[in-house]
Amino acid sequence: GNSVTQMEGPVTLSEEAFLTINCTYTATGYPSLFWYVQYPGEGLQLLLKATKADDKGSNKGFEATYRKETTSFHLEKGSVQVSDSAVYFCALRSTGGSYIPTFGRGTSLIVHP
Amino acid sequence: DAGVIQSPRHEVTEMGQEVTLRCKPISGHDYLFWYRQTMMRGLELLIYFNNNVPIDDSGMPEDRFSAKMPNASFSTLKIQPSEPRDSAVYFCASSRQGERTEAFFGQGTRLTVV
Repeated sequence: GNSVTQMEGPVTLSEEAFLTINCTYTATGYPSLFWYVQYPGEGLQLLLKATKADDKGSNKGFEATYRKETTSFHLEKGSVQVSDSAVYFCALRSTGGSYIPTFGRGTSLIVHP
Repeated sequence: DAGVIQSPRHEVTEMGQEVTLRCKPISGHDYLFWYRQTMMRGLELLIYFNNNVPIDDSGMPEDRFSAKMPNASFSTLKIQPSEPRDSAVYFCASSRQGERTEAFFGQGTRLTVV
């Protein structure tokens, strides 16, 4: 079946630090990969996505590259801000999983001024 | 489009009462998902519909939970009778067909059963 594993949090950083949140996956079929962000009291919203191997998704300074050889989709940002504090979810959707979105457990990011 | 709309945003009820959560998906979306989020279990898929038909309800925890989608623009998740362990945030999400499309989430209903 499909599954997503992401690093446990919380991740605590100072403003302007470099961010990496690791995500690996297992999937049947041909998956697309997603990062979602959840701010306090809100639902999940799409941050970026990549639909095939070697694609790079990017948005708001965040980037992630679809690495088929390592089955990974790590989230990175060069300089985090306090406003980036949120919970980040890695997810996949695959032709082999009846198109059900499969989510990781989420990683909480706390950015201090 | 206004996005996925859920109601109510907050619900506090007494144990044993019936609770109904409501969802209006984005127009034109083929899939509707109900998720439950807790600190212990993270985000769990309860049930999903494709073109208003329930496809997989294996995530529904007990017979106390039921879900319907009478038409393409409305779905309900009902808990009867409710128990304190049902306290969680319940999300509805919708999407178009295909593995390349993302799911769009509502803002959730925070349910507290006392």
